[in-house]
Amino acid sequence: EPEVTQTPSHQVTQMGQEVILRCVPISNHLYFYWYRQILGQKVEFLVSFYNNEISEKSEIFDDQFSVERPDGSNFTLKIRSTKLEDSAMYFCASSERPGGREQFFGPGTRLTVL
Amino acid sequence: AQTVTQSQPEMSVQEAETVTLSCTYDTSESDYYLFWYKQPPSRQMILVIRQEAYKQQNATENRFSVNFQKAAKSFSLKISDSQLGDAAMYFCAYKGEEQGAQKLVFGQGTRLTINP
Repeated sequence: EPEVTQTPSHQVTQMGQEVILRCVPISNHLYFYWYRQILGQKVEFLVSFYNNEISEKSEIFDDQFSVERPDGSNFTLKIRSTKLEDSAMYFCASSERPGGREQFFGPGTRLTVL
Repeated sequence: AQTVTQSQPEMSVQEAETVTLSCTYDTSESDYYLFWYKQPPSRQMILVIRQEAYKQQNATENRFSVNFQKAAKSFSLKISDSQLGDAAMYFCAYKGEEQGAQKLVFGQGTRLTINP
């Protein structure tokens, strides 16, 4: 069964460093998403991406964040200068279309900022 | 803005019994989708069940069913014949249908414990 994959599973970085989180969405999906879950809290939407551009973003997704689809398979989230409060689980998701069909989530990347 | 509320931070049930998890939401839209996601200790988000707001019939997936009350803006999840593998965090989520709205809005989650 097709699935969303994410690498790395755990990333530890120093405050102020740049990190890139990688995702490989399901191959025939066209819509891609990043969500964040701070430990013990709910899952929060960051950004959605379609046709090589951002289609929606939340207030959390400020200038420190960027997304890119550098090739036909990868979808990345970059955090330019990490802060302690960026420590969280980051989930990538994809869907065939933005309608009611479910978003399929990857296993997540745990980001720890020291 | 849409909000989703899960008022039960924790629930527990005996194995083989039935449990109901509550969810309410607030929206001014008439068309939307509601979801229940399961998050086991691995923290993977797994879709359990989906409901389209325009459908009056409650969705069912094997042991999982929902009670969708559109007027009350309530969307509860019933798990029948609970199994040890059902132990997880359960998140209720909302997705609007308006143009460009693609994000899922999640509730705070309910931690479900299954007692053997």
